[in-house]
Amino acid sequence: KNEVEQSPQNLTAQEGEFITINCSYSVGISALHWLQQHPGGGIVSLFMLSSGKKKHGRLIATINIQEKHSSLHITASHPRDSAVYICAAARGVGGGADGLTFGKGTHLIIQP
Amino acid sequence: ETGVTQSPTHLIKTRGQQVTLRCSSQSGHNTVSWYQQALGQGPQFIFQYYREEENGRGNFPPRFSGLQFPNYSSELNVNALELDDSALYLCASSLDPGHYNEQFFGPGTRLTVL
Repeated sequence: KNEVEQSPQNLTAQEGEFITINCSYSVGISALHWLQQHPGGGIVSLFMLSSGKKKHGRLIATINIQEKHSSLHITASHPRDSAVYICAAARGVGGGADGLTFGKGTHLIIQP
Repeated sequence: ETGVTQSPTHLIKTRGQQVTLRCSSQSGHNTVSWYQQALGQGPQFIFQYYREEENGRGNFPPRFSGLQFPNYSSELNVNALELDDSALYLCASSLDPGHYNEQFFGPGTRLTVL
């Protein structure tokens, strides 16, 4: 079982729909990252969370530390949101380098 | 402010050869992490460099090695290439190794081993 699990693996929706991508992790973390990867490989960091909720434009990320669960929401989805969304757990406390442990990603397609 | 850059963008090698991939960190960042992303998978942590020293390593064999230079740019070297080394190699820089610091990713180098 992977330490970081995402669902769904694939999601196709119509433009304007509200999108939710879920991430569950089985290890203690210091922070959780949500990343966006477009075809061709480039990764953009969307959010880094250690508690609560963050919002940036149409994107909202939440985390529940007790339940070891995080969600990424997209409101008023648009075809340009089509990408792979990856959650990644940062383990350990403060310094030290375990690196990030990544989920396999959710492939999102928004159709016009 | 210059973002994270990687070179080359694409590379084709044959089994048994050696390869060097390069990463320039974002201005002001002293920490570089390297990741391997096989097709259809999430990235896997290779190692991290902080102030020119290896600061942590994932589950990769010793033929994966690295360097960090005084300007905090970094190299990933892979010896005795195997077919399974074909992947997208990503580097990410951050202000320091602390996990609370956001990592900024480069565009990646796609390595194909034939």
